[in-house]
Amino acid sequence: GAGVSQSPRYKVAKRGQDVALRCDPISGHVSLFWYQQALGQGPEFLTYFQNEAQLDKSGLPSDRFFAERPEGSVSTLKIQRTQQEDSAVYLCASSLDRGPENIQYFGAGTRLSVL
Amino acid sequence: AQSVTQLGSHVSVSEGALVLLRCNYSSSVPPYLFWYVQYPNQGLQLLLKYTTGATLVKGINGFEAEFKKSETSFHLTKPSAHMSDAAEYFCAVSGKNTGFQKLVFGTGTRLLVSP
Repeated sequence: GAGVSQSPRYKVAKRGQDVALRCDPISGHVSLFWYQQALGQGPEFLTYFQNEAQLDKSGLPSDRFFAERPEGSVSTLKIQRTQQEDSAVYLCASSLDRGPENIQYFGAGTRLSVL
Repeated sequence: AQSVTQLGSHVSVSEGALVLLRCNYSSSVPPYLFWYVQYPNQGLQLLLKYTTGATLVKGINGFEAEFKKSETSFHLTKPSAHMSDAAEYFCAVSGKNTGFQKLVFGTGTRLLVSP
């Protein structure tokens, strides 16, 4: 596809439910990032993949959050036993190469509401 | 740790007026600097970036920003606002002091444009 695709766009979960959020990066992009954007805030880093390797997961808020990118393309962010504080927009971004100077291209995000 | 400060959560201008959105960063080493725009229910779109070289950077839609190392600033400007510029704007940094790959965002500035 032409851009980063995320699904679902909207997800409503009951507290305690597990959810899985999908990201399809731009084809050929080496780097993939997940960010969490709370209402009225800027995005905050969650985790970073270079191909299939998860090189930085320092931003994951708890062990309930898990991300994978098994074949170096599609990535899934999983949240177990969701809590109300997990309600946010989850953004995925990809970039062509390694290096902090590379442009990150963002998807439209998944808006998660935990009731 | 690296941080980004965007002064003013909301900025209001009239159509045709100058747009000035402020961004300051804290870093002992000059980072890479980015401005992104976010329209409602959409992902972030890159406006411009500074990595090295000329400190005045031109971006899309008539926006530009100037990197001033002495002031640790990267303010975004546009000579004449258009109604379509109404959106949320985020300043972000990456580089050695951010953990290298990830973007660290400010809290954003909402630009309101009145006719």
